[in-house]
Amino acid sequence: DTEVTQTPKHLVMGMTNKKSLKCEQHMGHRAMYWYKQKAKKPPELMFVYSYEKLSINESVPSRFSPECPNSSLLNLHLHALQPEDSALYLCASSLLPGGVEDEQFFGPGTRLTVL
Amino acid sequence: GQQLNQSPQSMFIQEGEDVSMNCTSSSIFNTWLWYKQEPGEGPVLLIALYKAGELTSNGRLTAQFGITRKDSFLNISASIPSDVGIYFCAGRPGTGKLIFGQGTTLQVKP
Repeated sequence: DTEVTQTPKHLVMGMTNKKSLKCEQHMGHRAMYWYKQKAKKPPELMFVYSYEKLSINESVPSRFSPECPNSSLLNLHLHALQPEDSALYLCASSLLPGGVEDEQFFGPGTRLTVL
Repeated sequence: GQQLNQSPQSMFIQEGEDVSMNCTSSSIFNTWLWYKQEPGEGPVLLIALYKAGELTSNGRLTAQFGITRKDSFLNISASIPSDVGIYFCAGRPGTGKLIFGQGTTLQVKP
């Protein structure tokens, strides 16, 4: 299994809603990442989990709350988002965090629209 | 922060033509990755490079890790319509986070 899966594929939410994005990988990878991507722009790193512990938070607003329940799962909890948070949210994983030979594999993304 | 300059920004070519794009940095990188992203999908890893001077192929794709460790290029030979998408380079200086180029949008005319 060489796949990163993400659910849901699409999500529409109001500014007062609470929702969660889910990511799963079964490649034995010990680093997992959340990225945000606007149209025709490169992915922007949000969070990095290394061995299930949060190792990098790129100054992301607290309305985004990541969680790593185990080595295969990564969640992103959303609360009180703003319309400008609408974007494609990508999950990625890699074998070892920060290693030189550290290829990141991306999931298909969740297209989020905040109304 | 560190930046990657990726060029060209976009390309519109005829099917069958060869394509070349590159990324340059002012800093030394230890890793270069090339991704392709199609609309509505996540980036797909095409080629990974880890040694200066390394030349790696994946089908019609060939990428090289520049000898100065500050650049990389990707070539696509004999382009076909399904090559359409945005190509991103990504590099890692040391063991830090990946830094992405701004992308090259490729359109192929049948």
